[in-house]
Amino acid sequence: GEDVEQSLFLSVREGDSSVINCTYTDSSSTYLYWYKQEPGAGLQLLTYIFSNMDMKQDQRLTVLLNKKDKHLSLRIADTQTGDSAIYFCAEKANQAGTALIFGKGTTLSVSS
Amino acid sequence: DSGVTQTPKHLITATGQRVTLRCSPRSGDLSVYWYQQSLDQGLQFLIQYYNGEERAKGNILERFSAQQFPDLHSELNLSSLELGDSALYFCASSVDPEVNTEAFFGQGTRLTVV
Repeated sequence: GEDVEQSLFLSVREGDSSVINCTYTDSSSTYLYWYKQEPGAGLQLLTYIFSNMDMKQDQRLTVLLNKKDKHLSLRIADTQTGDSAIYFCAEKANQAGTALIFGKGTTLSVSS
Repeated sequence: DSGVTQTPKHLITATGQRVTLRCSPRSGDLSVYWYQQSLDQGLQFLIQYYNGEERAKGNILERFSAQQFPDLHSELNLSSLELGDSALYFCASSVDPEVNTEAFFGQGTRLTVV
C-alpha cells in the first residue's frame, strides 16, 4: 500500500534555507504535493509536481523529485518566521480513488 | 479562504453519542473528501464522494458514515463515539479529481469526546 514518510521536525534560523524531505512508496503516483498547515488552520496547497518533472520552482519554493529513489524535497529559500508551520508531503493514491495520502508532517520552526 | 466551509468549528460531546459534521464544497467542485487528523495517526483519508456517489473508502470505521447531497454538500456522521475519535476532521473538495490536481481544504471541525 501507499506510505509517505517525513522527518518530524526541522529547526532553522531566519534567512537560512530549509529543506524538508519526503519518501513515498507508490511509483505510479502521477502528482506529488506539498501542503502547509499553520496553527489552527486548514491545509493550504503550496505547490505540486507532476511525476515526469525533476524540478519545479515557484518563487522561494523549489521542489525536487527523484523518481528512482522515490524521494521528494521542498526547499524554502530565505526562510522567514512566517514560514513556521507544519509541512505535509502527499501523493495521489491509486488504491483509494483520487484521495491524497499524506505523510505525518514536518514541523518547521524558524527562529530569528 | 479556500472556499470550503465546515461546521461546526468545535464540538464537544460525550462517549457513546452521535454527531454530524457538515461540509460545503467550493462552488463548482463535485468531489468531496473527508480526512481525520490526530496526533498519533496523522492525516488519514476516510472517504470520498463524487457528484453524490461514494467514490473511494479509506480508513473509515464502521461507526462512521457519510453522504453527499444533491446540492453537493456533504455530511460525516460519527456514532458510538469513543475517546479515541477526538481529532480534527477536515473536508476537502476538488472539481474533477481525474483531471484537476488541487484539493482545497476547509478549516476543519475539532471534535473532543469526553
